[in-house]
Amino acid sequence: EVQLVQSGTEVKKPGESLKISCEGSGYSFSTYWITWVRQMPGKGLEWMGVIYPGDSDVTYSPYFQGQVTFSVDKSTNTAYLQWETLKASDTATYYCARHDRYYNNGSYFRLGYFDLWGRGTLVTVSS
Amino acid sequence: DIVMTQSPDSLSVSLGEKATINCKSSQSLLYASNYKNYLAWYQQKPGQPPKLLISWASTRQAGVPDRFSGSGSATDFTLTISSLQAEDVAVYYCQQCYFPPYTFGQGTSLEIK
Repeated sequence: EVQLVQSGTEVKKPGESLKISCEGSGYSFSTYWITWVRQMPGKGLEWMGVIYPGDSDVTYSPYFQGQVTFSVDKSTNTAYLQWETLKASDTATYYCARHDRYYNNGSYFRLGYFDLWGRGTLVTVSS
Repeated sequence: DIVMTQSPDSLSVSLGEKATINCKSSQSLLYASNYKNYLAWYQQKPGQPPKLLISWASTRQAGVPDRFSGSGSATDFTLTISSLQAEDVAVYYCQQCYFPPYTFGQGTSLEIK
């Protein structure tokens, strides 16, 4: 089955660090871009940025640049989203999602919509 | 950034009736080289992740019922549900897929009247 499986709920205190995960299965993980999306409680969807597992190339949204770090482990087909210093305002559900792609002249190209989503990781930051 | 604005914010429609959600982008999403509109629609049911319904403004994803249709071009787009079913209660989002940062509309909450 083609799926993205995300790690479980986290409850942390302000100032703590955190790394959540997103494991892909059932497809060629390293050749599809993975995006991260934030959804604050009761709010809409915010694109955080994208990583290409093949070479770990990353593009952050300007609004999240410097606030989070994306990484991947190709050996385990897992993408990660990391915070060094959590704030209460980081409380949200975080989704990983896969970009669709197309193939042309020997290369894959990223499309800007997301055809496969994880179920989300709820992160609560509270003292 | 491209700003995406949906209307209305919420919508109440009777079962079997038509639901229409609008989405406006602050700049054209029509790419002249391939004449494609870089606009997607998602459905998010309570407690679930978003689900891709439509890409390229009007291309339904496999398995999406044909009562869902997308239309529009350039800056103005519409998602139409031709005959509302109970399972269609959800929040619907449009998203520009043109270039990063990829941005979403604020969402339209659809309920049964």
